[in-house]
Amino acid sequence: GQNIDQPTEMTATEGAIVQINCTYQTSGFNGLFWYQQHAGEAPTFLSYNVLDGLEEKGRFSSFLSRSKGYSYLLLKELQMKDSASYLCACMDSNYQLIWGAGTKLIIKP
Amino acid sequence: ETGVTQTPRHLVMGMTNKKSLKCEQHLGHNAMYWYKQSAKKPLELMFVYNFKEQTENNSVPSRFSPECPNSSHLFLHLHTLQPEDSALYLCASSRNRGDNSPLHFGNGTRLTVT
Repeated sequence: GQNIDQPTEMTATEGAIVQINCTYQTSGFNGLFWYQQHAGEAPTFLSYNVLDGLEEKGRFSSFLSRSKGYSYLLLKELQMKDSASYLCACMDSNYQLIWGAGTKLIIKP
Repeated sequence: ETGVTQTPRHLVMGMTNKKSLKCEQHLGHNAMYWYKQSAKKPLELMFVYNFKEQTENNSVPSRFSPECPNSSHLFLHLHTLQPEDSALYLCASSRNRGDNSPLHFGNGTRLTVT
């Protein structure tokens, strides 16, 4: 079956760096997405990776290794507003999105 | 107004009620989606519309009935729901179905069935 695994919850300190991992098993692969969702709000698109390597966007970076079925989201210089859930989603060969359950990130001062 | 707008934000209904959720997108997208989000579970895709035509129904019970009058509007009609249907219902849109364009979500309707 198709599956996405990511940690349920992580805690980090303001100003620090945190890496949120995501592993996937899907039928085919058409890219991997990361979304951010603040409590009570819409998920918002953060990044898309389809080729191996690191994509950097300001304080956020996303990495993909297709051979390992693995991705991570790296958040630098953490701010309190980064407290949110981070959703990993993989697109299979039929362009269906397979979602992880999300990682709740708690930032402490 | 831009983005994806959902109404109402919150809804409490009894099991015998009939209500509707509304979604509107101002992004010029061709595909629209209904998702169910329950605590600590992955997003569950319910329905997909592409160019107003329903392309997917993921074994959703008939007490949920979608309607898509045009590419900008999507409804979810609810009747005789069960308490386990309580969840956050998210509407989303994308440029097209069947490509890798990202989803744009509304803020959702928090539904409580009593």
